[in-house]
Amino acid sequence: DAGVIQSPRHEVTEMGQEVTLRCKPISGHDYLFWYRQTMMRGLELLIYFNNNVPIDDSGMPEDRFSAKMPNASFSTLKIQPSEPRDSAVYFCASSSGTGRLFFGEGSRLTVL
Amino acid sequence: GENVEQHPSTLSVQEGDSAVIKCTYSDSASNYFPWYKQELGKGPQLIIDIRSNVGEKKDQRIAVTLNKTAKHFSLHITETQPEDSAVYFCASGDGNKLVFGAGTILRVKS
Repeated sequence: DAGVIQSPRHEVTEMGQEVTLRCKPISGHDYLFWYRQTMMRGLELLIYFNNNVPIDDSGMPEDRFSAKMPNASFSTLKIQPSEPRDSAVYFCASSSGTGRLFFGEGSRLTVL
Repeated sequence: GENVEQHPSTLSVQEGDSAVIKCTYSDSASNYFPWYKQELGKGPQLIIDIRSNVGEKKDQRIAVTLNKTAKHFSLHITETQPEDSAVYFCASGDGNKLVFGAGTILRVKS
């Protein structure tokens, strides 16, 4: 089975630009998570969905961040406008509800 | 909210020796404690987990122990090999919302 698929793997953009990160969870998993990893703050949960519905978005830093899950096989994390402090590796993970997370390879974002 | 502390931040061991990484958590309601291994440029990968109704779990060279009274849990790797070199993260939570420790860089010297 394919694992969690994220795109793009690397994104370099200018401050103020819109960034969209994409995720395809493992088929059959009904939980999807977005995490951000930085040296300073480690792995932080941004938001998670259950059956395509956002359950907890308390980790979303501010209104510039938004996430959607239009169907069971696709989710996006959007940053608009982007700022240099958003530079990080963004991970998507999925789960079947057991708590065991399966992470994607991550999207490394650099905002200049 | 939950707070997870992980020690040590770096650990160097000789190949064949054992490695122990420890974590403490703050929320007594937490009931799920996984450990993840992250290699350079990759996402974290689950290596072992334990739930609050169990005190110890073992899988080949890896074991995890849990002390709910003291709110701490540990990862034990025996007979370490160079391929065990990676960053290890503990986590604590209710099964969906996990809080991760800061990570331990493990270096196994051959």
